[in-house]
Amino acid sequence: EAQVTQNPRYLITVTGKKLTVTCSQNMNHEYMSWYRQDPGLGLRQIYYSMNVEVTDKGDVPEGYKVSRKEKRNFPLILESPSPNQTSLYFCASSLSRGSGANVLTFGAGSRLTVL
Amino acid sequence: QQPVQSPQAVILREGEDAVINCSSSKALYSVHWYRQKHGEAPVFLMILLKGGEQKGHEKISASFNEKKQQSSLYLTASQLSYSGTYFCGFTGANSKLTFGKGITLSVRP
Repeated sequence: EAQVTQNPRYLITVTGKKLTVTCSQNMNHEYMSWYRQDPGLGLRQIYYSMNVEVTDKGDVPEGYKVSRKEKRNFPLILESPSPNQTSLYFCASSLSRGSGANVLTFGAGSRLTVL
Repeated sequence: QQPVQSPQAVILREGEDAVINCSSSKALYSVHWYRQKHGEAPVFLMILLKGGEQKGHEKISASFNEKKQQSSLYLTASQLSYSGTYFCGFTGANSKLTFGKGITLSVRP
């Protein structure tokens, strides 16, 4: 089944404790992206990757890091989480970023709480 | 800059029609519509390209007015399953997809 898999789905952590949210897709998609969803703010892009070893900042990149060493994986790293990073995170992928082709497939989401 | 969606929320009864609007201050190349049901991930509904035709999905259709930089989503004879949050997303010249804040639509029996 074609899908985007995120882990963990739920996580409660404390301020400053490094964590990684993994994302993997099995569709051979070139483009991958991370979004955070907060009430009243919609989906905001954190980082994206056009292909292996090619990443760039989205609209809200502060406090996050990403890497794309393999085509299928795109982990989101919070080096020193803070309470304002409490949010629902979605990983998404698409075949490419061309305007007609970038139909996004989303993962199930990861709900992160930072105390 | 995020697209502006209106109205903020819609409540309707089964069988009624609704229109959701989305506008941008920038030139647009395509419009995307996604629906997110409570507790689930957003799911793609349709994409409208610049110069393209009106699209449809089930009893949901959409239009794209390039000159006004607006898109509208039309829900006809709504069903309970249409409830959720609807996001529009616009792409510009750089193909970057930016989502609006979403509109909550509730269909009641």
